[in-house]
Amino acid sequence: GAGVSQSPRYKVTKRGQDVALRCDPISGHVSLYWYRQALGQGPEFLTYFNYEAQQDKSGLPNDRFSAERPEGSISTLTIQRTEQRDSAMYRCASSLGGGANTGELFFGEGSRLTVL
Amino acid sequence: RKEVEQDPGPFNVPEGATVAFNCTYSNSASQSFFWYRQDCRKEPKLLMSVYSSGNEDGRFTAQLNRASQYISLLIRDSKLSDSATYLCVVNAYNFGNEKLTFGTGTRLTIIP
Repeated sequence: GAGVSQSPRYKVTKRGQDVALRCDPISGHVSLYWYRQALGQGPEFLTYFNYEAQQDKSGLPNDRFSAERPEGSISTLTIQRTEQRDSAMYRCASSLGGGANTGELFFGEGSRLTVL
Repeated sequence: RKEVEQDPGPFNVPEGATVAFNCTYSNSASQSFFWYRQDCRKEPKLLMSVYSSGNEDGRFTAQLNRASQYISLLIRDSKLSDSATYLCVVNAYNFGNEKLTFGTGTRLTIIP
């Protein structure tokens, strides 16, 4: 596609439910990033992939959070047993490769998660 | 201490004025630095990279001071369209992995 596509755009769920957020990066982009952004804050790093390999997951808050990118393209961020504190905008970004060195990350519009 | 720190503002500046804001980072091994811009309810977008020698892009000038570990952004002749949140971003290069660490952002409003 032309840009990074995320779905769903909005997700409202009850505490304790599992949610899966999907990211479809720009075609041909090697690197894929997940960030979380709270209102009034900057994006907070969660995890990062090169192709299908998860290179860094140091930002995942706890073991309820996981991410995969099995074929090196589409990625899914899964949050198990959601809690109210998980409510935030979840942003996916992709880059050609060596993204951090060029600094150009292309972000999707985000998935806004609300946990009731 | 946060890895990347910015004054959240808000900065309310009259149109045509010059405005500058700084950002400090804690990891002295950081390799590269950037400014991103985020409009209200939109995704962040790269504004410019920050080079060691300083760099300019039109009305925008970015500078890096490695000794003091801060980055600055200067906007001259500010326009209404410059109203946005400006995010300082640092490459926290670590053991072969790469991630960009974002600051909280500085909110700028240009007043007519």
